[in-house]
Amino acid sequence: ETGVTQTPRHLVMGMTNKKSLKCEQHLGHNAMYWYKQSAKKPLELMFVYNFKEQTENNSVPSRFSPECPNSSHLFLHLHTLQPEDSALYLCASSPPWGGAYGYTFGSGTRLTVV
Amino acid sequence: QQQVKQSPQSLIVQKGGIPIINCAYENTAFDYFPWYQQFPGKGPALLIAIRPDVSEKKEGRFTISFNKSAKQFSLHIMDSQPGDSATYFCAAVGGTSYGKLTFGQGTILTVHP
Repeated sequence: ETGVTQTPRHLVMGMTNKKSLKCEQHLGHNAMYWYKQSAKKPLELMFVYNFKEQTENNSVPSRFSPECPNSSHLFLHLHTLQPEDSALYLCASSPPWGGAYGYTFGSGTRLTVV
Repeated sequence: QQQVKQSPQSLIVQKGGIPIINCAYENTAFDYFPWYQQFPGKGPALLIAIRPDVSEKKEGRFTISFNKSAKQFSLHIMDSQPGDSATYFCAAVGGTSYGKLTFGQGTILTVHP
């Protein structure tokens, strides 16, 4: 375990479903991130939170809705997704305001939209 | 200007070989260059990192070479082993992208026994 835990590990959902991905970190970090990893593409940053406040939304469609209730937990709420949204969704955390030096990823949620 | 270009996309070597993965960047404000290793079913994990004020860094069998004037850096894996088979990502951070890692496209490395 890296200190960043993501659940579920795998998720299959229909295009009309609503589901949520969960991320939890026990590293004392104050910055949390959602990334999307698709085959043969670079990791795409989706959202950034610093001290529970969203500081970046990288032009992500509104069918993805993040929530950060505290510095240890991050959610990604999904609704009316498209098949092209199928990917590995990675959560990461770091010391506040970047601290790339302590960036830690979870193992990801493999999402399949049918 | 935020891109990091990585090559090759895939690489196959025999055990004991020295695979080399190359990355190039444009943004001169980048000041930290980590490499991540990702095994199937896992998230990327930090492998080794370098700052532009040094030209080389070694950690075990992994070496980063950095050429600031050319804006290029590379990862060398000495005496590669089948257990090194994974996807490798270079990344960069700094300047206006502070707090956001910019990743290369990734290289799938296969080391045959």
